[in-house]
Amino acid sequence: GEDVEQSLFLSVREGDSSVINCTYTDSSSTYLYWYKQEPGAGLQLLTYIFSNMDMKQDQRLTVLLNKKDKHLSLRIADTQTGDSAIYFCAENGSPLVFGKGTRLSVIA
Amino acid sequence: DAGVIQSPRHEVTEMGQEVTLRCKPISGHDYLFWYRQTMMRGLELLIYFNNNVPIDDSGMPEDRFSAKMPNASFSTLKIQPSEPRDSAVYFCASSPKGVGNQPQHFGDGTRLSIL
Repeated sequence: GEDVEQSLFLSVREGDSSVINCTYTDSSSTYLYWYKQEPGAGLQLLTYIFSNMDMKQDQRLTVLLNKKDKHLSLRIADTQTGDSAIYFCAENGSPLVFGKGTRLSVIA
Repeated sequence: DAGVIQSPRHEVTEMGQEVTLRCKPISGHDYLFWYRQTMMRGLELLIYFNNNVPIDDSGMPEDRFSAKMPNASFSTLKIQPSEPRDSAVYFCASSPKGVGNQPQHFGDGTRLSIL
């Protein structure tokens, strides 16, 4: 069955880059997503990438997709304290399949 | 536009009581999802509906849990009787389609504490 794996924790210093990694199993996934969950709130869509793309950049965010290895990553440049949150990777299925989330802690 | 609206935001009750969580999806969305989030298990899909019809309830943990969607603008998740291990944050989400570039929109959740 479909499965999405992420590391659970990541800690970085303010101003450094953060890289959150994810692996998925369904090679037929046409879309892959990153959601962000801030404390006390629901998940919000951060960005997504279509499977025919290798990279997508949106301001401080860069998404890299390696279809051969079924590996997705989210890079946050110049990480700020406001980026502290849980980040979920998801692959499109019926319904979406979410990873367990990576808790990013930014140290000032 | 209004997002997914959940109520109550917080619920504290004693074990054995009936708990009802409510959700209003985004207007025009065909799919509605109920999730549970805990530190131990992360985000779990409990059940989802398409056009008010339950499609997959395999994630519902026990018969104590039930969900209904009487119309396109309202859904409930009920726990009867509640137990301390049901304490979690429960999220409702909706989407216009089940797959593709129309991902799910989440409410802010109901934080449930069973004493």
